[in-house]
Amino acid sequence: EVQLVESGGGLVQPGGSLRLSCAASGFTFSSYEMNWVRQAPGKGLEWVSYISSSGSTIYYADSVKGRFTISRDNAKNSLYLQMNSLRAEDTAVYYCARYSMTTVVTDYWGQGTLVTVSS
Amino acid sequence: DIQLTQSPSFLSASVGDRVTITCRASQGISSYLAWYQQKPGKAPKLLIYAASTLQSGVPSRFSGSGSGTEFTLTISSLQPEDFATYYCQQLNSYLLTFGGGTKVEIK
Repeated sequence: EVQLVESGGGLVQPGGSLRLSCAASGFTFSSYEMNWVRQAPGKGLEWVSYISSSGSTIYYADSVKGRFTISRDNAKNSLYLQMNSLRAEDTAVYYCARYSMTTVVTDYWGQGTLVTVSS
Repeated sequence: DIQLTQSPSFLSASVGDRVTITCRASQGISSYLAWYQQKPGKAPKLLIYAASTLQSGVPSRFSGSGSGTEFTLTISSLQPEDFATYYCQQLNSYLLTFGGGTKVEIK
């Protein structure tokens, strides 16, 4: 069974940093591209970042470029999001989502982890 | 970036109604469009991908159509468990984008 479990969320002050993790199981993690998607309270879904299966290709939304860093450790079946210079508008539930090249869709999502940026 | 415009943003319907949600892309995206259902406090659930392919386990009352810039999600006979928010998503670019969402509520 495919499982994605996010962790690392919490309350952080503006300007602070946080590192999110996504632990993957039930599939060959190293073969799949991954994404982070977030959802501010009461708002819609916003794509944050993409990383290729090898980690060699990375993309970011303009809203986080220069502040967030996506990475992965295929040996540990884990995806990460390092978030620096956090702002109030980064407050959201952050989801990791698996991207299937075969079906061209983000087919599995984690349950999400809440990041709250507030003083 | 490719923009997706979903309509309506809100709709009120009764059990048994046929419901249609539209998603328009700012440029052609072939059939690289997916639909998700989201309930409060839960992760999005994939319903349809490649514009019209039903994800395994999703009831057949859900269907999708379209290509290029205009897409629709249809629920043929709304069930109580279908009251939720629905999002379209384009995957023509690695810079994914989502529609603004359509909240389906009980009339």
